[in-house]
Amino acid sequence: ETGVTQSPTHLIKTRGQQVTLRCSSQSGHNTVSWYQQALGQGPQFIFQYYREEENGRGNFPPRFSGLQFPNYSSELNVNALELDDSALYLCASSSERGGTDTQYFGPGTRLTVL
Amino acid sequence: QKEVEQDPGPLSVPEGAIVSLNCTYSNSAFQYFMWYRQYSRKGPELLMYTYSSGNKEDGRFTAQVDKSSKYISLFIRDSQPSDSATYLCAMSVRNNDMRFGAGTRLTVKP
Repeated sequence: ETGVTQSPTHLIKTRGQQVTLRCSSQSGHNTVSWYQQALGQGPQFIFQYYREEENGRGNFPPRFSGLQFPNYSSELNVNALELDDSALYLCASSSERGGTDTQYFGPGTRLTVL
Repeated sequence: QKEVEQDPGPLSVPEGAIVSLNCTYSNSAFQYFMWYRQYSRKGPELLMYTYSSGNKEDGRFTAQVDKSSKYISLFIRDSQPSDSATYLCAMSVRNNDMRFGAGTRLTVKP
């Protein structure tokens, strides 16, 4: 186990609703990245937060937003849910800015949009 | 053309076989190359990390990067049933936003 936790484990929403996903980073890690993994696909980078500020963003619309708290935990918010938002949402924490070489993933939140 | 291409398999091998997994990419600016293993219903687990070109070995795993051909490989020696998982290649330019392949599903049969 990596020490990265995510909640909830599973979530079912309907189109147009809003959702908040949560991630607790591994102890000592100050960077959190969020990824979307559709079924049968590799994860796609959504954005990264370093010391409470956004540090890079992938090709996702503004209705995907995030937040990092002083304890380095993080939230992913998705507004106006669409059917294509159904996916596994992964967060990964690391101990330095960027830090792709030391990213540790949580188990993910499975979101289903009906 | 996708930025990172990876054959999704599935790949099935007998226990003890040498497994070769590969990815190609189109962005010559990629500098950081990773391999992840993902078991069903789990998050990806980092196996290997390589910066720039060259080989890296860790136990039964060897990662190779050929930047001139835009081609990376992961070799698994003496494969075990516990190696059965999906293997994801990933790469990045600035060491923050990783671009993943689609993953190759591997089954090692006893």
